[in-house]
Amino acid sequence: GAVVSQHPSRVICKSGTSVKIECRSLDFQATTMFWYRQFPKQSLMLMATSNEGSKATYEQGVEKDKFLINHASLTLSTLTVTSAHPEDSSFYICSATVSGSSYEQYFGPGTRLTVT
Amino acid sequence: DQQVKQNSPSLSVQEGRISILNCDYTNSMFDYFLWYKKYPAEGPTFLISISSIKDKNEDGRFTVFLNKSAKHLSLHIVPSQPGDSAVYFCAANTGTASKLTFGTGTRLQVTL
Repeated sequence: GAVVSQHPSRVICKSGTSVKIECRSLDFQATTMFWYRQFPKQSLMLMATSNEGSKATYEQGVEKDKFLINHASLTLSTLTVTSAHPEDSSFYICSATVSGSSYEQYFGPGTRLTVT
Repeated sequence: DQQVKQNSPSLSVQEGRISILNCDYTNSMFDYFLWYKKYPAEGPTFLISISSIKDKNEDGRFTVFLNKSAKHLSLHIVPSQPGDSAVYFCAANTGTASKLTFGTGTRLQVTL
């Protein structure tokens, strides 16, 4: 149980284009989803908290107009990297908590974004 | 400001022995602590957690100990197996469905 999927697993795009990453909870409903990014040999850094049906809450220093988050249903959240630049190249990971009372977060397998 | 710290970036342990991974935190508002295992280019896998009202939680080969007064927790893996080789992150949060604050990770290598 508590499986989270991400699509795509790997994407290469040209500078200036936009990329959408999907995060799905497969066997549970997730009121809250989180988006992280990880640079090589570093820890996971939270980008934003996504609540179903409301606007995402972004961490300090994360541009909300560049990283668009939509959480339209209890099983799907999307992250769109707009006007991508090479410095946006990173490993993006989403997580989800089971609706209701839950401390644990379950993570997706991650998406490797490379901007050329 | 690193609120969750893992001071050992790497650890090497012989197969069959005990692995002890340590984690310290500074935020007294944290009330739930979790350990995740991560392989390169994959998402973290949840291992075990502990509430701040407990000082020990055990699940198979994994035991987490919490010392609130010292703001310290540790993950014990016994016996260690080669398949345990990965990066281990401790994390903490302050309530249900709240954001996790991660440590910097410890790379565990279990040798034959």
